Amino acid sequence: GQNIDQPTEMTATEGAIVQINCTYQTSGFNGLFWYQQHAGEAPTFLSYNVLDGLEEKGRFSSFLSRSKGYSYLLLKELQMKDSASYLCAVVDSNYQLIWGAGTKLIIKP
Amino acid sequence: GAVVSQHPSRVICKSGTSVKIECRSLDFQATTMFWYRQFPKQSLMLMATSNEGSKATYEQGVEKDKFLINHASLTLSTLTVTSAHPEDSSFYICSARYLEPYNEQFFGPGTRLTVL
Repeated sequence: GQNIDQPTEMTATEGAIVQINCTYQTSGFNGLFWYQQHAGEAPTFLSYNVLDGLEEKGRFSSFLSRSKGYSYLLLKELQMKDSASYLCAVVDSNYQLIWGAGTKLIIKP
Repeated sequence: GAVVSQHPSRVICKSGTSVKIECRSLDFQATTMFWYRQFPKQSLMLMATSNEGSKATYEQGVEKDKFLINHASLTLSTLTVTSAHPEDSSFYICSARYLEPYNEQFFGPGTRLTVL
């Protein structure tokens, strides 16, 4: 079967750095997305990785290791507005998105 | 970027009535749209994949006669919840696949359905 694992919840302090991990086992791989979802709102695109390595975009970075079936989202200089759920999603061999259950990130002052 | 709209944003209806939710891609043509349902504190659950001009593909456990999907044009897909019941109360989100550059999905703002 296909499976995406990420922690259910994480807590971090404003101004700090947090890393949200995602491991996957899917039938094929055609890329990995990270989305941010605030409570009561639809998800918004954060990043896309299809090759191994680190993609940096401002305060957010995403890393991929295809051989390990592993990705992480790194958030720096945390702000209160970063409190949200972070969803990892993998594109499988049929170009379907397989979703993780999401990681709820709580930022404390 | 690609924009997807959804209407209505909120709807409250009585049990037994039907509710139609529209999903539109505003500045691009989407051959494929997706319908998700999300219950409180849970992740997105894919209900069905909607392809323009053909029947939708429903995920296991989703009743196709209860959740009617019509993708009549390249910019519009509709979801009709027929004979809605309180357990259908949820956050319904549509997305449209945009091929360039990442083949990603752009999400509509969602529809909060409350069935009394």
